[in-house]
Amino acid sequence: GAVVSQHPSRVICKSGTSVKIECRSLDFQATTMFWYRQFPKQSLMLMATSNEGSKATYEQGVEKDKFLINHASLTLSTLTVTSAHPEDSSFYICSAPRSRETQYFGPGTRLLVL
Amino acid sequence: AQTVTQSQPEMSVQEAETVTLSCTYDTSESDYYLFWYKQPPSRQMILVIRQEAYKQQNATENRFSVNFQKAAKSFSLKISDSQLGDAAMYFCAYKEFNFGNEKLTFGTGTRLTIIP
Repeated sequence: GAVVSQHPSRVICKSGTSVKIECRSLDFQATTMFWYRQFPKQSLMLMATSNEGSKATYEQGVEKDKFLINHASLTLSTLTVTSAHPEDSSFYICSAPRSRETQYFGPGTRLLVL
Repeated sequence: AQTVTQSQPEMSVQEAETVTLSCTYDTSESDYYLFWYKQPPSRQMILVIRQEAYKQQNATENRFSVNFQKAAKSFSLKISDSQLGDAAMYFCAYKEFNFGNEKLTFGTGTRLTIIP
């Protein structure tokens, strides 16, 4: 069964609103989680590393004020897309490492901003 | 920065035949892992196989095997007895362990089509 969940799986929102995506590790604790963005027919692009108890680490070119990340507990990280615009429409995937060699991915969230 | 290159945007193979997907990477590190992930139309990322850099023996998982050439920085995936369910995007990925930085770096992917 799934070991990393994401909610919602799909969201449609109006331009200017904020959208929160949750990522949960279901049967293990994760001090670190990763957030990716994937455009159609492209690879996964790492946006940021979520760290429990400290600030997230953002990749170059990713606006930290646009994509707010909160790692509230050892099993939950949230990504909030603030003041969403159509160009933010994408597929967002989270992942959590269970061990040095094992990293599980959530099923993804499809965001459509109208 | 570490890079992962997949030079085959698309590949196709006849059902029951064998296909090899290519991957090269660039790193100066000695401690790292390499992975092949499968992304079917559902878009759920599924681990196919992994290889630890320190292990010389090539990893094998049922019909999936790798050819790991550390000196050449090459990590190809061989799929034997291809099945219709193998149709998907395949991503090669690299992960190092350097000062707590354990992020995955992905290649651009190869779309595999299985011909019935």
